[in-house]
Amino acid sequence: GNSVTQMEGPVTLSEEAFLTINCTYTATGYPSLFWYVQYPGEGLQLLLKATKADDKGSNKGFEATYRKETTSFHLEKGSVQVSDSAVYFCALTSNTGGFKTIFGAGTRLFVKA
Amino acid sequence: DGGITQSPKYLFRKEGQNVTLSCEQNLNHDAMYWYRQDPGQGLRLIYYSQIVNDFQKGDIAEGYSVSREKKESFPLTVTSAQKNPTAFYLCASSIKEGGDTEAFFGQGTRLTVV
Repeated sequence: GNSVTQMEGPVTLSEEAFLTINCTYTATGYPSLFWYVQYPGEGLQLLLKATKADDKGSNKGFEATYRKETTSFHLEKGSVQVSDSAVYFCALTSNTGGFKTIFGAGTRLFVKA
Repeated sequence: DGGITQSPKYLFRKEGQNVTLSCEQNLNHDAMYWYRQDPGQGLRLIYYSQIVNDFQKGDIAEGYSVSREKKESFPLTVTSAQKNPTAFYLCASSIKEGGDTEAFFGQGTRLTVV
């Protein structure tokens, strides 16, 4: 079945450091890929998405490129801020998966001032 | 403002009791979902619904029940059959089931068994 694997956390960075959170997926058909962010005690919010191969999603300085050849959708940001501290979830939906959204386990990011 | 509202934010339940978590959306979305999140864990799908009066079991439906009598409402009942109900529960909705559209989440309900 469809699945999403993302790097285990927590990830701890200093302010202005470069961020990469790895995400790989397994899916049949043509999945759409998403990154969601969860701040403490809250629900999830969409951060960015990509719907086909080679698409790049971007928002708030974050970006991720849909790589079909490596089945990856890694999240990057050039310079993190303390306010980026949160849990990040990689996710996919696929027509062959009944369109249910499949989430990765989440990666917690701590950014130190 | 359009959105998805869960209530209550915190809920305490005695062992052996049923409790119902509310989820309401005014986004005119067809699909609604319930997820469970345990500390340090990802999201696990409990139930989902594509249309009024229809719903499907997710990966961990045992001990839970839902109804979808109205498009805007998708309440979740945690029954006494759920052996470990303490968790953070998230409700979500989307304009159609899956596809390339995003899911909108509520703020969550934290359920604790006392």
